[in-house]
Amino acid sequence: DARVTQTPRHKVTEMGQEVTMRCQPILGHNTVFWYRQTMMQGLELLAYFRNRAPLDDSGMPKDRFSAEMPDATLATLKIQPSEPRDSAVYFCASGLRGNEQFFGPGTRLTVL
Amino acid sequence: QQPVQSPQAVILREGEDAVINCSSSKALYSVHWYRQKHGEAPVFLMILLKGGEQKGHEKISASFNEKKQQSSLYLTASQLSYSGTYFCGTERGRQGGSEKLVFGKGTKLTVNP
Repeated sequence: DARVTQTPRHKVTEMGQEVTMRCQPILGHNTVFWYRQTMMQGLELLAYFRNRAPLDDSGMPKDRFSAEMPDATLATLKIQPSEPRDSAVYFCASGLRGNEQFFGPGTRLTVL
Repeated sequence: QQPVQSPQAVILREGEDAVINCSSSKALYSVHWYRQKHGEAPVFLMILLKGGEQKGHEKISASFNEKKQQSSLYLTASQLSYSGTYFCGTERGRQGGSEKLVFGKGTKLTVNP
């Protein structure tokens, strides 16, 4: 049963700290997406990759957020420094171009 | 640019039908539908492509009016398991390989016994 995995599932940190979220896409999927979900804004696309190359990160605050795919089995999203307004659920999703996206369980981030 | 979904919420009794609408002000290449249960991740339901092609689950039906940039999701003979928040995601095009989805704010569906 292939699934997208994300770690950690929950993270509580203090303002100013670095946060790293990790995602393991489904083996064989060539596209990886990072989304952020809040009550106010809903589900927003932050960045996505195809074949490990970044295609679009226009949804990401560039001064504090960064996304990478060091290899085909790992995608990372970093926030440095974190702020209370970054509190949200961060989802990673993977898929094959033009088809359904499989979402991971999410990382619930709380920045105090 | 965010698509508008209506209604925002709907409450049904088991066996009743519902229609959820998604409307965009921009020309669309495709519309994607997802369902999210409380505390869980969104789960794929269907893709509707410009030109009429559909990919999705057999028990879910939907329509896509390209000229009006509108899509509707039809839930018939609702079951308790249909409860959740339904999101439409709209795709403007595939130029340069882009397939960005912009999601609506969601429609919360509650099915009661």
